Amino acid sequence: SQQGEEDPQALSIQEGENATMNCSYKTSINNLQWYRQNSGRGLVHLILIRSNEREKHSGRLRVTLDTSKKSSSLLITASRAADTASYFCATDAGGAQKLVFGQGTRLTINP
Amino acid sequence: ETGVTQSPTHLIKTRGQQVTLRCSSQSGHNTVSWYQQALGQGPQFIFQYYREEENGRGNFPPRFSGLQFPNYSSELNVNALELDDSALYLCASASPEDTQYFGPGTRLTVL
Repeated sequence: SQQGEEDPQALSIQEGENATMNCSYKTSINNLQWYRQNSGRGLVHLILIRSNEREKHSGRLRVTLDTSKKSSSLLITASRAADTASYFCATDAGGAQKLVFGQGTRLTINP
Repeated sequence: ETGVTQSPTHLIKTRGQQVTLRCSSQSGHNTVSWYQQALGQGPQFIFQYYREEENGRGNFPPRFSGLQFPNYSSELNVNALELDDSALYLCASASPEDTQYFGPGTRLTVL
C-alpha cells in the first residue's frame, strides 16, 4: 500500500491562478519530497523539506510541512500551461532514500 | 537534466521471457534505487543498491533482481515476465543530501 495520499486527485485551473495540492502520510518521516512528471516520463525533483522545517520556497513553489498532522502542501503560484503535469509527494518512510509515493495529483492548466 | 540515463526507452516482451533494463547514475552517487510505476499510479520501490550490495527491497518477488557496478551503472533483471509487469521502470540515484534524481524511465510492455 502507498504511504502518501495526494488531494485532489485531479485539479484544473486557469493560467495565472494558484494551484494547491495536499499530501498526507501515515508514519514518521525524516524528509518529504515533491516531484513533477510529464506524460508518464521521468520524475523531476522539485523540492525536499526536512522534518524540522515548516516551509520552503523555490521560485514559484512553496511547500509546507506539518508533522503533527502528517501532511504537506505544494503551492504553485501564477500557474503556466507548462505546469500541466502530475505531481507526487514522496516520503522516506520506507527507509533512507527508499521513497514511498502517493498516487499523485493531475494538474491541468487551461490557457 | 538529472544526469541519470536509462536504456532502452521502450521494450516489448512476451510472457515468460526475461528482460534486462539498464541505468547509469550520476558520478559519485553510491546509491541507486529502482521503482515500478503502473499506469495511473505512483512509483513503487523495488529495491536499492549501495556500493554494489542490495540494501533494501520492496514487496517484489525474487524474479526481480539487480546488479550495481563500480562505474555507477546498474541493471534491473526480471525473469518469467507476467502481464502485470507492464509498467514504467524508473531508476534513481541519491545525492548525499538525500535528494533522489530520476532517469527518464523504460516503458516495458508484456504481451
